[in-house]
Amino acid sequence: KQEVTQIPAALSVPEGENLVLNCSFTDSAIYNLQWFRQDPGKGLTSLLLIQSSQREQTSGRLNASLDKSSGRSTLYIAASQPGDSATYLCAVEEGAQKLVFGQGTRLTINP
Amino acid sequence: KAGVTQTPRYLIKTRGQQVTLSCSPISGHRSVSWYQQTPGQGLQFLFEYFSETQRNKGNFPGRFSGRQFSNSRSEMNVSTLELGDSALYLCASSLDRSSGNTIYFGEGSWLTVV
Repeated sequence: KQEVTQIPAALSVPEGENLVLNCSFTDSAIYNLQWFRQDPGKGLTSLLLIQSSQREQTSGRLNASLDKSSGRSTLYIAASQPGDSATYLCAVEEGAQKLVFGQGTRLTINP
Repeated sequence: KAGVTQTPRYLIKTRGQQVTLSCSPISGHRSVSWYQQTPGQGLQFLFEYFSETQRNKGNFPGRFSGRQFSNSRSEMNVSTLELGDSALYLCASSLDRSSGNTIYFGEGSWLTVV
């Protein structure tokens, strides 16, 4: 059974810092890995999708990497801003839109 | 273009009742999936529909059911509600069933069972 773990569970950093969120998964037989953002009381917003054959994806200040063989992904956020404060969720797709999610990292950026 | 729309946004039900939640996917999207989010269990996959057929199902009891209509709109139903069914129910849509399509989520329906 696929299990996804995100470390740390919560992170608080001052504005302007670069930071890394970690995600690990137990079964490397995945189709892709997606990173989402969730603001309090809201739905999920897709940030980056990495296909299983890819190593990384970039969007603006965000960069996500994928190492399938070791079952790890990282989300790198450059020059953090208070607006980046949210819960970040990592999910692996097992096929046909079935996502297995980690518990998330609650990120707080302090002005 | 409009995003994934879920109704109602908030509802309160009594134990033993049933509830129906509705989801309108992004125009042109044919795959709709449902997730339950609770503080204890996090986000868990309920089921996925494509072309009115349930193609994939998570590990939930039979009280949880759903359907998809010919216009891709979807509904999920929970019968004989239990206190533990209190959760945020999220609907998501994607273009088709191919893996690798970005999945777009709605704002969710907050269900409280009392």
